[in-house]
Amino acid sequence: DAMVIQNPRYQVTQFGKPVTLSCSQTLNHNVMYWYQQKSSQAPKLLFHYYDKDFNNEADTPDNFQSRRPNTSFCFLDIRSPGLGDAAMYLCATSFVAGGSDTQYFGPGTRLTVL
Amino acid sequence: GQNIDQPTEMTATEGAIVQINCTYQTSGFNGLFWYQQHAGEAPTFLSYNVLDGLEEKGRFSSFLSRSKGYSYLLLKELQMKDSASYLCAVQDSNYQLIWGAGTKLIIKP
Repeated sequence: DAMVIQNPRYQVTQFGKPVTLSCSQTLNHNVMYWYQQKSSQAPKLLFHYYDKDFNNEADTPDNFQSRRPNTSFCFLDIRSPGLGDAAMYLCATSFVAGGSDTQYFGPGTRLTVL
Repeated sequence: GQNIDQPTEMTATEGAIVQINCTYQTSGFNGLFWYQQHAGEAPTFLSYNVLDGLEEKGRFSSFLSRSKGYSYLLLKELQMKDSASYLCAVQDSNYQLIWGAGTKLIIKP
């Protein structure tokens, strides 16, 4: 089945210790997104890739970086996690062709910062 | 600024009907989405409206009025598994999704 996969599902890290979250997709979608979602809040878009073009949201902290080495994979790097970065991180994909581009989400990675 | 408003929480009874409203003010409009999100899980796509009117999909229906900046999600024959948050999101002129904070729906037996 075509899908969006995120690893790991749960990640525990220490304050200031770099962490990388991964996302892969078998949908062959051209756009990949990273969202941060805290409890009872809307998902907050961090950045997205339209093919290889990287688009950073203006209010995304420099602490967050992303890589998309190929169509299928995308990584979220948090260089120095703080307590406030504990959240669910959602990867989504869509196929943008000028019309509606429904976003399909992976299961998410829940990040705990100790 | 861009804004999506929906109630924070609603309660309904198993077997009943519930309507979750969403109002929006965005820079342009290229469609409105409803997603379901169970606690601790990722959002799953429910519906998409770009033209005015009602879209029906089984027990779920979604309505849109672009002139009023308004949508609702109608859930019929409620089941306990429908307990979840329901997120309204609008695609703006740049095809970015603007998200509401979600409506937590509690179903009681």
